[in-house]
Amino acid sequence: GAGVSQTPSNKVTEKGKYVELRCDPISGHTALYWYRQSLGQGPEFLIYFQGTGAADDSGLPNDRFFAVRPEGSVSTLKIQRTERGDSAVYLCASSKSSGTGAQPQHFGDGTRLSIL
Amino acid sequence: AQSVTQLGSHVSVSEGALVLLRCNYSSSVPPYLFWYVQYPNQGLQLLLKYTSAATLVKGINGFEAEFKKSETSFHLTKPSAHMSDAAEYFCAVSLTNAGGTSYGKLTFGQGTILTVHP
Repeated sequence: GAGVSQTPSNKVTEKGKYVELRCDPISGHTALYWYRQSLGQGPEFLIYFQGTGAADDSGLPNDRFFAVRPEGSVSTLKIQRTERGDSAVYLCASSKSSGTGAQPQHFGDGTRLSIL
Repeated sequence: AQSVTQLGSHVSVSEGALVLLRCNYSSSVPPYLFWYVQYPNQGLQLLLKYTSAATLVKGINGFEAEFKKSETSFHLTKPSAHMSDAAEYFCAVSLTNAGGTSYGKLTFGQGTILTVHP
């Protein structure tokens, strides 16, 4: 079956611009996660959704970052007034549920964001 | 607070040799533990997971890991390395509360790049 799909795969934009990154999770997965992976580092948690609501947004670095999941499926990560330090690979993952703890997260291939 | 430490950012082995990638965690409550593999320009693929059942966990591609509570470790092993095993490996934990409910998010180690030479 289809895995987690992220678009675009690459995004290059200028400092100060607004960007949107899209994640289409595995069908039926209620939990959706966003992570950011900087070069040479492990992924760092940003936010996760259980259904339509953000259950934990403690990883968002500042108020320039925002994410939505209006219908409980596709999610969009939005970054305003981009800075060069935002350059990274943004990974999306989904799982059947986060409540049981045992469900593994399935990752997309990521969006490589480059801020010039 | 929980953290994950992967000892050795780079590990190099010969083809056919034992692979051992080390992972230690710090948590007051035994967490759920995962190993993921990442090939260049790809996302993370789950190798195996520990969720408080058997302490020796078998995963895909011949990998296995053993949970040792006394050592707070979850090292990844494979008896015989293949060239196709060359990739970056991440250990991750999902913290749980005393009731066993996960908080959802994963905390990852820094990763270990495995090189396999002929």
